[in-house]
Order: sequence, then structure tokens, then C-alpha cells
Amino acid sequence: AVQLVESGGGLVQPKESLKISCAASGFTFSNAAMYWVRQAPGKGLEWVARIRTKPNNYATYYADSVKGRFTISRDDSKSMVYLQMDNLKTEDTAMYYCTMGSFAYWGQGTLVTVSS
Amino acid sequence: DVVMTQTPPSLSVAIGQSVSISCKSSQSLVYSDGKTYLHWLLQSPGRSPKRLIYQVSNLGSGVPDRFSGTGSQKDFTLKISRVEAEDLGVYYCAQTTHFPYTFGAGTKLELK
Repeated sequence: AVQLVESGGGLVQPKESLKISCAASGFTFSNAAMYWVRQAPGKGLEWVARIRTKPNNYATYYADSVKGRFTISRDDSKSMVYLQMDNLKTEDTAMYYCTMGSFAYWGQGTLVTVSS
Repeated sequence: DVVMTQTPPSLSVAIGQSVSISCKSSQSLVYSDGKTYLHWLLQSPGRSPKRLIYQVSNLGSGVPDRFSGTGSQKDFTLKISRVEAEDLGVYYCAQTTHFPYTFGAGTKLELK
């Protein structure tokens, strides 16, 4: 069965950095585009980033709200996808979900809190 | 960006009742390959979202056939026949035709 397990969330101060991870299993990871979606407390869903596969040059796409501050990457040898978040703002506080397959599968999420 | 407008924002239903949720996009969601990448998700309280319907009308794996999706271009509907207690939560439509991908604001389904 497909499993996505996020980790690495926590409490950070504004302008600090954090890297969250997603461990994938149960499918051929190297063939799948991967996404990050976030949900601020009590709010709706917001797509954050996407990374394509090696044949597609690992092309990346970002929401305007995070462009220039967040970087999505992947390690196909480890079936991992990452989100490096720099210059964090209070408005980045959210549950961050790893997802794939046009939102067919989701992890349990990892909570990132940005507060002084 | 493509704006996804969901109505109503909330619904109060009795078990066994049928309901419909509307989702309208600000642009056509037909991709260059001819497919329409409009999906429906359900987020039950305290849980991660779960995809119910993909590409307008295709039922996700393990999703009961009480759920159905219809629509085209910019106008889409999710119908739930004979609501059960496990169907309660927030429903989202989502499009993956255009970047950035966008979601509707959600429709909260509650028990009457």
C-alpha cells in the first residue's frame, strides 16, 4: 500500500529556516511527481510546490506565496521528498502534507509553527 | 490564478438524505490533452484529505458509489446519495489543469 510519512516540523522563529521531509513507500517513487500542500489552522488547503521526475529534469513549480523562499527536492535513491523553507514568516504556520498522484494519496502531515 | 468557487459553504443534512455541492472555476479546466483535471476531496475531522473523485467523474479507489461527479469546462457538481455518518467533514474541489493548482474554499457537511 502507498504510504507517505512526513517529518521534521516544529516551532521556529520568523526569518529562520526549516527542512521537512516525506518518506514514500508502496509505489515506484522515481516515476511519480510529488507535491506539498499546506493547511493553516482552521483554514482551507493551499498547494505549495511540485517536483517532477528525472525524465522531466526534476522540474519544480511553486506557489507565488513561497517562491524564492521554499525549495522542493527529491532523492529517488531514498524515496524521499523534501521542502526546504527559508526566511519563514508567521503566515507559513500550517500543517504541511506530502501528496502525489493528483492528490490520490496523502501523508498524515507535519506541523510547522512560525512564532516569536 | 484559477479561482474555484464552491457553494454552499455549509450543508446541514439528515442521514439518508441526498445532497449536491457545486464548484465553478474562473477558467476552463480542459487541459491540452483533452482531459479535465477537476477532483473532489473529503477531509474528515482531524484527518488528512482523501480523494473521492478524480477527473470530474472517476471514483477513487475504495470510494462508495454513493458519490458521483459530473460537469464540464467550468461547472462541476459532486452528488452524495444517501448520506452516511462517515461522510461528514469538509469537501473540497481542486484543479490540477493550470499552475498554480488551486482548491475551493470548502463545503462543510454537518448532521442536522
